[in-house]
Amino acid sequence: AQKITQTQPGMFVQEKEAVTLDCTYDTSDQSYGLFWYKQPSSGEMIFLIYQGSYDEQNATEGRYSLNFQKARKSANLVISASQLGDSAMYFCAMRETNTGNQFYFGTGTSLTVIP
Amino acid sequence: DSGVTQTPKHLITATGQRVTLRCSPRSGDLSVYWYQQSLDQGLQFLIQYYNGEERAKGNILERFSAQQFPDLHSELNLSSLELGDSALYFCASSPGGAGVYHEQFFGPGTRLTVL
Repeated sequence: AQKITQTQPGMFVQEKEAVTLDCTYDTSDQSYGLFWYKQPSSGEMIFLIYQGSYDEQNATEGRYSLNFQKARKSANLVISASQLGDSAMYFCAMRETNTGNQFYFGTGTSLTVIP
Repeated sequence: DSGVTQTPKHLITATGQRVTLRCSPRSGDLSVYWYQQSLDQGLQFLIQYYNGEERAKGNILERFSAQQFPDLHSELNLSSLELGDSALYFCASSPGGAGVYHEQFFGPGTRLTVL
């Protein structure tokens, strides 16, 4: 089974609107971390936001927030007030203790912000 | 700038050849990870080192090997190169080997083209 599933290969959003990128994960571990990364067309991987499995509140970083639903095993990224510079690939990732803290990445979602 | 450096940025070589990719982690980070990103297979975890020792192994081919040196820089050696090895190779670092709460910081990547 896939550890991280991102079911949206491509998404479009109007500038200044909010968008949600979906991510579900699979783990039997109690202790794990969830991460989102952005990869613009230039290729670099940029860390956006982190959520720990024991965190009770959803993580927020500026315009990024993580909608963490533990029972559903989902960790959706919400980008508010989209900007043209948000156009990029977005990867969800998980790190779990029982696999030696290895990182697992999803296949990514390509986001295009329309002016 | 993540603080992780990778050299070279671009590498063009022929099938059957051997190349070495180099990575310097962020100051203070003990863990180094290598990833391969190709168009058809997404971001694949290859191998992790923590303070000089191999910590986790992913989908790394036998033709590939890596090591982490006492100064914590790491090298990924790719031998008997095939056309399918053409990809973007990322190095990432994080502060610790244990604990799921540390994000990874990615280098800019080395784009390998095998002709």
